[in-house]
Amino acid sequence: GEDVEQSLFLSVREGDSSVINCTYTDSSSTYLYWYKQEPGAGLQLLTYIFSNMDMKQDQRLTVLLNKKDKHLSLRIADTQTGDSAIYFCARGDAGNMLTFGGGTRLMVKP
Amino acid sequence: DTAVSQTPKYLVTQMGNDKSIKCEQNLGHDTMYWYKQDSKKFLKIMFSYNNKELIINETVPNRFSPKSPDKAHLNLHINSLELGDSAVYFCASSQGLQAGYGYTFGSGTRLTVV
Repeated sequence: GEDVEQSLFLSVREGDSSVINCTYTDSSSTYLYWYKQEPGAGLQLLTYIFSNMDMKQDQRLTVLLNKKDKHLSLRIADTQTGDSAIYFCARGDAGNMLTFGGGTRLMVKP
Repeated sequence: DTAVSQTPKYLVTQMGNDKSIKCEQNLGHDTMYWYKQDSKKFLKIMFSYNNKELIINETVPNRFSPKSPDKAHLNLHINSLELGDSAVYFCASSQGLQAGYGYTFGSGTRLTVV
């Protein structure tokens, strides 16, 4: 989706933190989501944040939202090889229509 | 039990053929979707059904026809297949049209047109 953009690729070492960034243009977005796609599988919902929140933490995952800059990030602490996948951010409008970014491929090196 | 299941998982067919992809969800959701994922991994909404009624129909050739016989099923029929239809097609479901629930995705159908 052109109005949701992500960098294509991120490579980190096992044990480091990963930060995946996303920008969007539509300020009417009510919820923002992070999905994970492993090879040959569908998208799995990781976490989401309501647009009036700045931060949400869920175990190793931290989502930061800068609504003014329309910037969303996903931080994965202590990244493991099993975290290697494609990560999609998505924005949802009031009708629950999701628009996805192009995905960021995370590669975790042992 | 698989929450959103699609069949077949792989489909290889010749240009000009007609094919169908089936989707079923056992989550009790009332909204279902079809997304197309191209070779660059971009996901584009194709159709959305809420309580068996079409609510989103993006710019998709009319060779693609969705059918929802009941709330738990949303099938996709494609006529006169073209090379450009090759992609992974994902079915998804959600509860209602309220934001915040996200979608539950199937594992995808990889369609290859030769």
